[in-house]
Amino acid sequence: RKEVEQDPGPFNVPEGATVAFNCTYSNSASQSFFWYRQDCRKEPKLLMSVYSSGNEDGRFTAQLNRASQYISLLIRDSKLSDSATYLCVVNGAEGNYKLTFGKGTLLTVNP
Amino acid sequence: GAGVSQSPSNKVTEKGKDVELRCDPISGHTALYWYRQRLGQGLEFLIYFQGNSAPDKSGLPSDRFSAERTGESVSTLTIQRTQQEDSAVYLCASSITWDQPQHFGDGTRLSIL
Repeated sequence: RKEVEQDPGPFNVPEGATVAFNCTYSNSASQSFFWYRQDCRKEPKLLMSVYSSGNEDGRFTAQLNRASQYISLLIRDSKLSDSATYLCVVNGAEGNYKLTFGKGTLLTVNP
Repeated sequence: GAGVSQSPSNKVTEKGKDVELRCDPISGHTALYWYRQRLGQGLEFLIYFQGNSAPDKSGLPSDRFSAERTGESVSTLTIQRTQQEDSAVYLCASSITWDQPQHFGDGTRLSIL
């Protein structure tokens, strides 16, 4: 299993659609989990951290299932401005500062 | 507020030349990271600095690559005798501590002719 594996995409959805991104990670001792977004030819930007209890920020909901080593991101009522590559990011066991980035899933929201 | 600042934004140089890339982290961030992103690829970890501890250089691809950081301030990444495969965007990130989210600079787009 790859360290961090994401849906290869790309996803093309109409405005207003709900879209889900899935991610699995191989290191069961991983402690911190994040979703970043990266616009074309731009740097990655933190979208949200992912907590065991699940967390929501407006239209975005992140879930973590430690038993399955699975992370998800749900975007509701998608906007044109949501078009970007979504990166699943995981660090290692406690004290392991290296973030491992998934290859990303490209989302295009169409008018 | 001031984010992570990188310079230059773009660098075009001839094969075999040395280049130096600079990163100014967010003030108060003890951790600093360098990554490389080739076109259409994911991020590749290069090196990590944490305060005054010895850096983790395990991601540096060859001995042509080196990096320095003075305390908890500016870092420079140096690539000697550049090769065409060094062409990429070099991204710097900083975080308050190792387990907190990393914040990225705009990157330096390096092109080796």
